[in-house]
Amino acid sequence: DADVTQTPRNRITKTGKRIMLECSQTKGHDRMYWYRQDPGLGLRLIYYSFDVKDINKGEISDGYSVSRQAQAKFSLSLESAIPNQTALYFCATSDPLRGEQETQYFGPGTRLLVL
Amino acid sequence: SQQGEEDPQALSIQEGENATMNCSYKTSINNLQWYRQNSGRGLVHLILIRSNEREKHSGRLRVTLDTSKKSSSLLITASRAADTASYFCATASGYSTLTFGKGTMLLVSP
Repeated sequence: DADVTQTPRNRITKTGKRIMLECSQTKGHDRMYWYRQDPGLGLRLIYYSFDVKDINKGEISDGYSVSRQAQAKFSLSLESAIPNQTALYFCATSDPLRGEQETQYFGPGTRLLVL
Repeated sequence: SQQGEEDPQALSIQEGENATMNCSYKTSINNLQWYRQNSGRGLVHLILIRSNEREKHSGRLRVTLDTSKKSSSLLITASRAADTASYFCATASGYSTLTFGKGTMLLVSP
């Protein structure tokens, strides 16, 4: 969905490096999410934010941090990357207050490889 | 932990056949949603069914929900090669987040 963009699309980094993944959206949604996807494990929620001043941990937040710089921007950081953080990362948005229930709109993903 | 579990994990059919995949979940829900993911790409929302609904249609998609059995099924009729993808169910409980299952990989051969 072009309304939700992620940068970079692919990234290779080394163990111990700090890395930031960025998400931007033009949908005007208040809610934003970060997920990681591993083969055979589906999507797992890392962090989510219901508005600029609200940040919540998800199922697997250890080793990650986030920043909600504006309604449209939500960044995910790996402070010290480790190999088991190699995964496909997705950003998503939603806005239940617009009557769309909890339908989520996903970005194209960032493929991260930690060596 | 996953709320929804899809079954089967993988499904291979011929074009024109129907594809049925199932989702079971554990706790009460507000709604259940199905998403499609083409290889390595972002998920795309397909259909949402509320907890007080039993069946819903959208084009070639039919979703059923049985809250007494905590299960849902997604039927794709007259499948096409372009339907090849992974399909995920996701449950919404309360007013916060979705919990996704592990997905069913569907392969539709010409």
